Amino acid sequence: NAGVTQTPKFRVLKTGQSMTLLCAQDMNHEYMYWYRQDPGMGLRLIHYSVGEGTTAKGEVPDGYNVSRLKKQNFLLGLESAAPSQTSVYFCASSDSFNQPQHFGDGTRLSIL
Amino acid sequence: AQTVTQSQPEMSVQEAETVTLSCTYDTSESDYYLFWYKQPPSRQMILVIRQEAYKQQNATENRFSVNFQKAAKSFSLKISDSQLGDAAMYFCAYRSGGGADGLTFGKGTHLIIQP
Repeated sequence: NAGVTQTPKFRVLKTGQSMTLLCAQDMNHEYMYWYRQDPGMGLRLIHYSVGEGTTAKGEVPDGYNVSRLKKQNFLLGLESAAPSQTSVYFCASSDSFNQPQHFGDGTRLSIL
Repeated sequence: AQTVTQSQPEMSVQEAETVTLSCTYDTSESDYYLFWYKQPPSRQMILVIRQEAYKQQNATENRFSVNFQKAAKSFSLKISDSQLGDAAMYFCAYRSGGGADGLTFGKGTHLIIQP
């Protein structure tokens, strides 16, 4: 049982490049989330989804786009990467809004 | 918007002793959930304990227990019989009971276990 899997685990980009982070969960969860974690900070919500085909903005959505075309996958896109987006990105999923979230192992993204 | 405050950036405790990590939160809601997550150096986010605001009884999970004071908006974590494997960052988190949006985290407390 893999749980929540994030791909890739580590990536270095140049300013202006684009990339997509993939989150896959095998628990048939409805709710999925993308967070970022910066040094000295807790996780902050970027975007979330309450089901296939739905997305919504979180606390820090600027510069990111998301898609949930399949229930098990939640993609986070950076169209034009900026150094301020250097961070560790976590994906999470939950069965319902009042159930605990299960987290992936994170993606460390560095933008030069 | 809700806020979560962890006032202790770092705590240190001797192995086998008891330590309490503090967390306060600000909300106007009456229905919500509170969590403590552990993040070891491996970077994983591990759920330690969960508390529903409507429950007066404090949650307990083995050596971990909470002191939930709803009126004071306080949610502290007590770790008994501290073990070397408890060394990690600990994050307090809040979730609204009425919506589907995500968790609001505090900035974390770095817990050091002295052998």
